[in-house]
Amino acid sequence: NAGVTQTPKFQVLKTGQSMTLQCAQDMNHNSMYWYRQDPGMGLRLIYYSASEGTTDKGEVPNGYNVSRLNKREFSLRLESAAPSQTSVYFCAINRRSFNSPLHFGNGTRLTVT
Amino acid sequence: KQEVTQIPAALSVPEGENLVLNCSFTDSAIYNLQWFRQDPGKGLTSLLLIQSSQREQTSGRLNASLDKSSGRSTLYIAASQPGDSATYLCAVRLITQGGSEKLVFGKGTKLTVNP
Repeated sequence: NAGVTQTPKFQVLKTGQSMTLQCAQDMNHNSMYWYRQDPGMGLRLIYYSASEGTTDKGEVPNGYNVSRLNKREFSLRLESAAPSQTSVYFCAINRRSFNSPLHFGNGTRLTVT
Repeated sequence: KQEVTQIPAALSVPEGENLVLNCSFTDSAIYNLQWFRQDPGKGLTSLLLIQSSQREQTSGRLNASLDKSSGRSTLYIAASQPGDSATYLCAVRLITQGGSEKLVFGKGTKLTVNP
């Protein structure tokens, strides 16, 4: 998935620990998104950023914070991880156009014990 | 509330067969519909995007159709190959009253093409 880089690829946390998931893009797109994917639940939007300096809540924002550092980078922070946050997290981007397809990174697989 | 359903959840076919994957949505007020492919351990790759005013889009062996009034889309794969094995997801794009956009995803159909 050229253009969207997520780090780390894998992470194991203990309950209560914090971490930041990083997403960077080199496609010069305005909009960036964080999704989580869980078996049987499909993809759910956590937060999104329509442009640099703006962020908005998605469907499941509780327990997360985000930061749109600049046009290229959008980070997702878990302040106090919980087992319910065990999931695969995907960053996605698109142009600021409703006709633009969504491009995804390869994901971060997070396990909280 | 918009719901997107993909049936069947899994499909296994022999190589060379033509096949159809289904996607249905409950609210026809969509802006567009997008089909994705997801390989194990990977992110989603965009395959086709159909605008609400369009009936179909084609890319190589893939053809996606859209019938907004009946709330249905199909992804047709011609002459399937083992490399087509993946999970296929559809997503509808909505425009909210506030002017922002929202994507609602189906849970996907896992396709296995057997050599």
